[in-house]
Amino acid sequence: EPEVTQTPSHQVTQMGQEVILRCVPISNHLYFYWYRQILGQKVEFLVSFYNNEISEKSEIFDDQFSVERPDGSNFTLKIRSTKLEDSAMYFCASSVQGARNTEAFFGQGTRLTVV
Amino acid sequence: GDSVTQMEGPVTLSEEAFLTINCTYTATGYPSLFWYVQYPGEGLQLLLKATKADDKGSNKGFEATYRKETTSFHLEKGSVQVSDSAVYFCALREETSGSRLTFGEGTQLTVNP
Repeated sequence: EPEVTQTPSHQVTQMGQEVILRCVPISNHLYFYWYRQILGQKVEFLVSFYNNEISEKSEIFDDQFSVERPDGSNFTLKIRSTKLEDSAMYFCASSVQGARNTEAFFGQGTRLTVV
Repeated sequence: GDSVTQMEGPVTLSEEAFLTINCTYTATGYPSLFWYVQYPGEGLQLLLKATKADDKGSNKGFEATYRKETTSFHLEKGSVQVSDSAVYFCALREETSGSRLTFGEGTQLTVNP
């Protein structure tokens, strides 16, 4: 069964460093997403990406964040200068369409720890 | 804005007990509703969904009915198993909010043998 894969599973970084979280969405999917979950809090939407551009972003997704689809298979989230409060589980997701009744498939997540 | 509220957790049950996890939502439009499950060490998986009022989503013995009049989508299962131990997330997706999912807090379910 096709799945969304994320690497690494756990990343530890020092405050102020740049991190890149990587995702390989399902191959025939067209919509890609990043969500995050701070420990003990809700899963929060960060950004959606379609047709090589951001289609929607939340207020969390500020200038410190960027996304890229550098080739036909990878989808990355970059945090330029990490803060302690960026520590969270980051989930990548993809879907065939962006319609409201369409299922989004999630990866296993990358746990980011900023020290 | 849109929001989803789940019953406070965690929930601990004995095997074969009846499960209800409450979920209510606030939305400006006509959302689709979802239950996702996260087993230990894994990602979020879609458990079931409903896209219009009075629809019942079902999967693996779990059911939830889209109740527009009470803005609810409660998850139920008649007889839980140890393997159902996981975190359950209620979520909605609005037409007007583009493609984003709005999640509830998640409910940790532990089923003891």
